[in-house]
Amino acid sequence: EAGVAQSPRYKIIEKRQSVAFWCNPISGHATLYWYQQILGQGPKLLIQFQNNGVVDDSQLPKDRFSAERLKGVDSTLKIQPAKLEDSAVYLCASSLDQILGTIYFGEGSWLTVV
Amino acid sequence: AQSVTQLDSHVSVSEGTPVLLRCNYSSSYSPSLFWYVQHPNKGLQLLLKYTSAATLVKGINGFEAEFKKSETSFHLTKPSAHMSDAAEYFCVVSDWEKLTFGTGTRLTIIP
Repeated sequence: EAGVAQSPRYKIIEKRQSVAFWCNPISGHATLYWYQQILGQGPKLLIQFQNNGVVDDSQLPKDRFSAERLKGVDSTLKIQPAKLEDSAVYLCASSLDQILGTIYFGEGSWLTVV
Repeated sequence: AQSVTQLDSHVSVSEGTPVLLRCNYSSSYSPSLFWYVQHPNKGLQLLLKYTSAATLVKGINGFEAEFKKSETSFHLTKPSAHMSDAAEYFCVVSDWEKLTFGTGTRLTIIP
């Protein structure tokens, strides 16, 4: 079974530039998550989708971050404009459903903002 | 509200000796609890999960954890550490809606 796919794996941008990350969840998984993991910390949920609807985006900095999941499959996370403090690993994860479902993580997209 | 506390930010053990990573949780509901492992430059991998069945949960790579409701703990153990166990470990609590991660415990294995 293929896992959660993410791209690009690594990205370096200057502050105020924009960046987009792509995620392809495990086939059939209705729930998709984006987490931000800053070095030395645990992952923090940015946004959670159930199919193509948003379940929780309470910790998403909406002035600069946006995410979409068209057709309820793939998802993109965009940052515009980037700040130095956005340097982190962006983890995409998916699960069959949001209730007690095991969550499977991709390998992450590493962002460095200089 | 739910929370999880990993009591040690860093644990060092010698190869072949037991591993104990400690985790306490707080939850308003009967929680699901997970341990995830993250090797350097890798994503998070599920080690094991507790979902109100047997209180002693066996996971991959020889790890296991025991759910103790009276102590609100879910400590991770392994009888004999291997060099490949060196990684960051996260304890996670889940209610019906969201996951909450601990801050992680870095496990170092001494040859």
